[in-house]
Amino acid sequence: AQSVTQLDSQVPVFEEAPVELRCNYSSSVSVYLFWYVQYPNQGLQLLLKYLSGSTLVKGINGFEAEFNKSQTSFHLRKPSVHISDTAEYFCAVSEEAGNMLTFGGGTRLMVKP
Amino acid sequence: EAGVAQSPRYKIIEKRQSVAFWCNPISGHATLYWYQQILGQGPKLLIQFQNNGVVDDSQLPKDRFSAERLKGVDSTLKIQPAKLEDSAVYLCASSLDWLSTNEQFFGPGTRLTVL
Repeated sequence: AQSVTQLDSQVPVFEEAPVELRCNYSSSVSVYLFWYVQYPNQGLQLLLKYLSGSTLVKGINGFEAEFNKSQTSFHLRKPSVHISDTAEYFCAVSEEAGNMLTFGGGTRLMVKP
Repeated sequence: EAGVAQSPRYKIIEKRQSVAFWCNPISGHATLYWYQQILGQGPKLLIQFQNNGVVDDSQLPKDRFSAERLKGVDSTLKIQPAKLEDSAVYLCASSLDWLSTNEQFFGPGTRLTVL
């Protein structure tokens, strides 16, 4: 069975500062990795995904993530955050066979002016 | 392109009552998912449909939850009878098919409060 751990439940950061949201996973088979963002009272929106190839993945809104197989991590980064980035961020994993996502518990990013 | 539609957006019921949620996926999407998101947690998959067949329902509490997608398009999720611990946001998602490379698109969710 696969599982996802998001190490920080909340991350406060000042506007224009860099941020890293951490994600670790466990699985006995090859996986695909995803980051989703959820704004208040909205559904989840895909930020980026790693399927294969380059371990550095770029997504929407200036976010990027790096897949590290040896550390089983997929941390999300942004060099300079905006107030509008305030939201809940979810890391998720799915096995190569089938499209069933397992989500982490989420990290609330709070950007302060 | 229209997104995934869900209704109602909010529902408040008493425990032991019944409730149903409706989902209309993106046109042409063969795979439909229902997730339960309890406050402060990540979404948990309840059931996955491929067209009108069930692919996985291993995490669906079948004694009280049921779901159907009779014509392979719209889907309904029912809870009968509801318990306090069923209070959550119920998210519907759809994708082109069951391949893991295909993005899942999520609806806005239905927030259920059981009193």
